[in-house]
Amino acid sequence: GENVEQHPSTLSVQEGDSAVIKCTYSDSASNYFPWYKQELGKRPQLIIDIRSNVGEKKDQRIAVTLNKTAKHFSLHITETQPEDSAVYFCAASTNTGNQFYFGTGTSLTVIP
Amino acid sequence: GAGVSQSPSNKVTEKGKDVELRCDPISGHTALYWYRQSLGQGLEFLIYFQGNSAPDKSGLPSDRFSAERTGGSVSTLTIQRTQQEDSAVYLCASSYSGPLEQYFGPGTRLTVT
Repeated sequence: GENVEQHPSTLSVQEGDSAVIKCTYSDSASNYFPWYKQELGKRPQLIIDIRSNVGEKKDQRIAVTLNKTAKHFSLHITETQPEDSAVYFCAASTNTGNQFYFGTGTSLTVIP
Repeated sequence: GAGVSQSPSNKVTEKGKDVELRCDPISGHTALYWYRQSLGQGLEFLIYFQGNSAPDKSGLPSDRFSAERTGGSVSTLTIQRTQQEDSAVYLCASSYSGPLEQYFGPGTRLTVT
């Protein structure tokens, strides 16, 4: 089955700096890669996703890149703000969407 | 509109007892997922329902775990003879179909004493 690895497990950045979180996956059939943000005590919420027919997608300060050959994808947050502090999860799924494999999460702290 | 709801929000049970956790997905969502999140850990896939198709149960950790989805809507996750290692937050999510944005419920925090 699919194996999703996520690094780093914790990340601290100064406000205004960029943050990068990386994930790798093992199943070449995976073609949908969402990122979820989970604030303390709250439910995960989708912040951005990418499908395997594109290499990069941006939404304001957030971007995701995908390298299918290397089987890795990354989340980039620019101009970080304290409200970006949360746990971020990457995930991988196939076209059927019957299973989502999540990474173990990255706890991001933005220091004001 | 109403989001995904789960009940109870918290459940404390004694080891060996059975528990039922309920999930009400967003109306119209045909896909429903159950996950388990242990303290400080990621989301562990448990089971997936899509419409009237047979569920994908490949993530269930043991035969003590089972789930139903009645009428393609409400789902119940049942854990029999609970063990302390079952203590976790159980999250339900729904989506329109397959690999689209999943909307998560608030979770049920299960504590087995």
